[in-house]
Amino acid sequence: EIVLTQSPGTLSLSPGERATLSCRASQSVSSNYLAWYQQKPGQAPRLLIYGASSRATGIPDSFSGSGSGTDFTLTISRLEPEDFAVYYCQQYGSSPLTFGGGTKVEIK
Amino acid sequence: EVQLVESGGGLVQPGGSLRLSCAASGFMFSSYWMSWVRQVPGKGLEWVANIKQNGSETSYMDSVKGRFTISRDNAKNSLYLQMNSLRAEDTAVYFCARGGVVLTGWGQGTLVTV
Repeated sequence: EIVLTQSPGTLSLSPGERATLSCRASQSVSSNYLAWYQQKPGQAPRLLIYGASSRATGIPDSFSGSGSGTDFTLTISRLEPEDFAVYYCQQYGSSPLTFGGGTKVEIK
Repeated sequence: EVQLVESGGGLVQPGGSLRLSCAASGFMFSSYWMSWVRQVPGKGLEWVANIKQNGSETSYMDSVKGRFTISRDNAKNSLYLQMNSLRAEDTAVYFCARGGVVLTGWGQGTLVTV
């Protein structure tokens, strides 16, 4: 099973700042089948990025994904108040599907 | 708009059973793989199972194999998770999700406490 390690655990930033979240896989993710989700308290997760870099429908271009192999990054170019949340990466290149432990982006 | 509404959660004794349901609307249910994902409150996400459009293929995480069964009724636009031999470590919020690998829509979840 592929283990995904997200860092940092918590990111404290101010609105307007840039956020860079990391997701590292224990082995190469096939075909860069890596997705990112956002979850706000009391809500269901929402798909942001799939295929490492493709934005899901309705996701603003302030969100971007990059990376390949074992190292992936989610970047939020300019934090809006509604972007403060927990972010999870997920690989779907091999079974079982696995998620990272999450990065919480909090207001500084 | 994709709508997924889970039901059937609750408090159950270890060794007991529960059947979760997920009512889907706003999309052509029969055209999509579907999944169950769970989350211990305050913790991360864990994929549980998925099922092909016509129900002919299913997959499970190792710890629930032989205890949980995913199924669907396309005529009723509904997804199910039959959970038997429940353990304390199965306690979580269970989400229904559209998709088999990339999860493009999620319900609000139903809490299962063992």
